[in-house]
Parts: sequence; C-alpha cells; structure tokens
Amino acid sequence: AQKITQTQPGMFVQEKEAVTLDCTYDTSDPSYGLFWYKQPSSGEMIFLIYQGSYDQQNATEGRYSLNFQKARKSANLVISASQLGDSAMYFCAMREGRRDDKIIFGKGTRLHILP
Amino acid sequence: NAGVTQTPKFRVLKTGQSMTLLCAQDMNHEYMYWYRQDPGMGLRLIHYSVGEGTTAKGEVPDGYNVSRLKKQNFLLGLESAAPSQTSVYFCASSYSFPSGGAQETQYFGPGTRLLVL
Repeated sequence: AQKITQTQPGMFVQEKEAVTLDCTYDTSDPSYGLFWYKQPSSGEMIFLIYQGSYDQQNATEGRYSLNFQKARKSANLVISASQLGDSAMYFCAMREGRRDDKIIFGKGTRLHILP
Repeated sequence: NAGVTQTPKFRVLKTGQSMTLLCAQDMNHEYMYWYRQDPGMGLRLIHYSVGEGTTAKGEVPDGYNVSRLKKQNFLLGLESAAPSQTSVYFCASSYSFPSGGAQETQYFGPGTRLLVL
C-alpha cells in the first residue's frame, strides 16, 4: 500500500485563486512528520512547510498553509492568492515514527497557474 | 553558503560503464540520502546514511552502492550502468531525527541527470 497518496496528477488554476493540493498518508505510528516540497521547472527541490503529528495547530508559512486532518490522515497544502510563479510540481512527504530515518515521497501534483 | 552540491550535473554513459556521483554538504548534517526521480514516480529512496561510516538500503537499492567515508560526502556508485538507471538523481541531507519541527526537513542538491545508452 502506498504510504503517501496524491490523487491529483495535474491541476489548472486561475491566477489569484486559492489552490488546495491533496495528500493522504498511511501510518500506524502516532509520531510522524509531514512535508511539502515544490519543484519548479528548473528542477530544484524547495521545502515549503512542515507539520508534526503532535502539533496542535495547522502549520502556516506565508501564503502556504497545511490543512491537517489527523483522523482522516489528510495533509492538504493550501496556497492562497496563487501566482504564476507557483506553477510547479508539488510533492507531499512523510517521516514515520520517532526513530525512522527515511522520508517517503508521494508521486506529486503538477500545478499550472493560468494568467 | 553552498548547502548541498552534486557532481556532475549531467552525464551520458554506455551500458556496462561505471561511474560515481558525488554529493557534498557543508551544513554538518548527520543524515544524507540518494534519491532517483522518474516521470510519474516521484522520488524514490536508493540508499541513505545516518552518519559517517554507515549506510542503509532504501526502496530501490539494486544496482547501486554507496559510501560515506566522510561526514560531509556521500558517494553513489553504479558499477555496471543499465538503461533502466537513466534518471535524475538527487542527493539530500538533514539533521538527525527527531530534531523537532521544520529542522527535520531535507535540503536537496540540484540534481544529476544521467542518461544510459
């Protein structure tokens, strides 16, 4: 079974609209961390936001916020007021457990922002 | 402020040739990782290291070997390249887990494009 599922292979959104990128995860460990990365066409991986499983509040970083629904095992990325520069591939990732050394990535969602 | 660097940036190999990809980080991170990225597959972990002198297998280790002789360097070797190893290879590093919060994030290198003919 996939640990990280991103169900949207591609999305088209009008500039200035808000965007929600879906991510569901699968783990039985009570302690885990969730990450979102952005990969623009230039290829580099850019860290966006982190959510710990014990964090009481949803993480926010500027225009990025993470809609963390623990019971549903969902960690959707919300981008407010989208910009053309947000066009990129977005990856959700998870670290399981307190001692696990690995981060597992989803297959990604390609976001296209339309002018 | 180099962060994570990878050498080379691009390489073309013939089937059966060998090569080594070099990853270097200057952030004193304990953990280092090698991923490959293929279309529609996301990033898949090849091997990783939790400290100098240690390595471990990831999801797709076959056909690759690694070494971590120095804390700042992590080498990925292909002994006999195959066309199936055509991919973009990313190196990453991080503090050890659990370090708490966003410190657990990985820092990525710019990637190495490898084409095996």
